[in-house]
Amino acid sequence: SQKIEQNSEALNIQEGKTATLTCNYTNYSPAYLQWYRQDPGRGPVFLLLIRENEKEKRKERLKVTFDTTLKQSLFHITASQPADSATYLCALGVWNNDMRFGAGTRLTVKP
Amino acid sequence: GAVVSQHPSRVICKSGTSVKIECRSLDFQATTMFWYRQFPKQSLMLMATSNEGSKATYEQGVEKDKFLINHASLTLSTLTVTSAHPEDSSFYICSAENLSGGQETQYFGPGTRLLVL
Repeated sequence: SQKIEQNSEALNIQEGKTATLTCNYTNYSPAYLQWYRQDPGRGPVFLLLIRENEKEKRKERLKVTFDTTLKQSLFHITASQPADSATYLCALGVWNNDMRFGAGTRLTVKP
Repeated sequence: GAVVSQHPSRVICKSGTSVKIECRSLDFQATTMFWYRQFPKQSLMLMATSNEGSKATYEQGVEKDKFLINHASLTLSTLTVTSAHPEDSSFYICSAENLSGGQETQYFGPGTRLLVL
């Protein structure tokens, strides 16, 4: 069966450290993968897109890797801040631009 | 960035009534809009893909007669939950696809919290 698994439901880290979130998928062949941030009671906000032929993408303090052999994406936030606390969702872009979302990882950055 | 709005943000209704949720792309035209449903602490589940001027494509298990979708213009899609029941209570989120710049990016609305009593 098809699955999208994000490493843990919750992740707590200290301010200034690097947060690493994992997204693993099974029985999908995504053309691209996206990461979104979702705050409580709000819709997701797009952060980064990485295509199947790209290994790594960066945007300010964010870095995403995509390993189609391992069927895994890693999402890093460097120099984390309490304002980074949110739920982060990975989403696979499948055919016809349909997207399938993971359940999300709730990140808490403690001061 | 692109902005998508949803209205209403929250709605409480009695069982058996119908509720309409609007999704608008405010500063771009969206040929395709998507409707999602999200339960607490769970992932977004795609309900249907809405294309302007044509019938929506529903995901397996989603009743098209219960969740009516209309995409009458390039900036507006509506989802009507007909004869709502308590199990329909959920967080409904729409997104609009903006293809400008070559990015397959969806911009999400803020969501609508539906509570059916």
